[in-house]
Amino acid sequence: DAGVIQSPRHEVTEMGQEVTLRCKPISGHNSLFWYRQTMMRGLELLIYFNNNVPIDDSGMPEDRFSAKMPNASFSTLKIQPSEPRDSAVYFCASSYDSNQPQHFGDGTRLSIL
Amino acid sequence: AQSVTQPDIHITVSEGASLELRCNYSYGATPYLFWYVQSPGQGLQLLLKYFSGDTLVQGIKGFEAEFKRSQSSFNLRKPSVHWSDAAEYFCAVGAGGTSYGKLTFGQGTILTVHP
Repeated sequence: DAGVIQSPRHEVTEMGQEVTLRCKPISGHNSLFWYRQTMMRGLELLIYFNNNVPIDDSGMPEDRFSAKMPNASFSTLKIQPSEPRDSAVYFCASSYDSNQPQHFGDGTRLSIL
Repeated sequence: AQSVTQPDIHITVSEGASLELRCNYSYGATPYLFWYVQSPGQGLQLLLKYFSGDTLVQGIKGFEAEFKRSQSSFNLRKPSVHWSDAAEYFCAVGAGGTSYGKLTFGQGTILTVHP
């Protein structure tokens, strides 16, 4: 079975540009999570969805960050405009329900110059 | 709110030695507990989970963990470490129910294995 698929795996862009990260959860999973991982702050939950509806976006750092889940098989995390401090590895994870473990994608390594 | 503490940032062991990684959690009710492993450049892979029942849980790759409510701990163990176990290990606590599986992760423990 295919796991959680994230794209791109690596993104390098200049400050001020719009960045879009993509995630395809495991088929049948109804919860989706976006995380950011940095050396300084570790693994932080940014936002999560249940049945395509955003449940908690309290971890989203600023209004420059937005996330959507238009259907059960696709989600995006957008940063506009991007800043160097947004450089991190962004992970997407999905789970079948609240009693099941999350399965992680391989992440997108984002570098903002 | 729940929290997780992994007291050891970095642990070094020799191949073949036993391993114990510590995890302490804070949560008002019975938690859901997880251990994940992350190799460089990879996502997190689930090693094992505790939801209820037997407090000693077995996971993949020969790992086990014991839930001790009195100590608010969920330490990860392996009797004999292999060089391929070198990675970063994360303990996580979840509340379940209406939290939709929201997890809080510890800061991670980096494991180095010497030959």
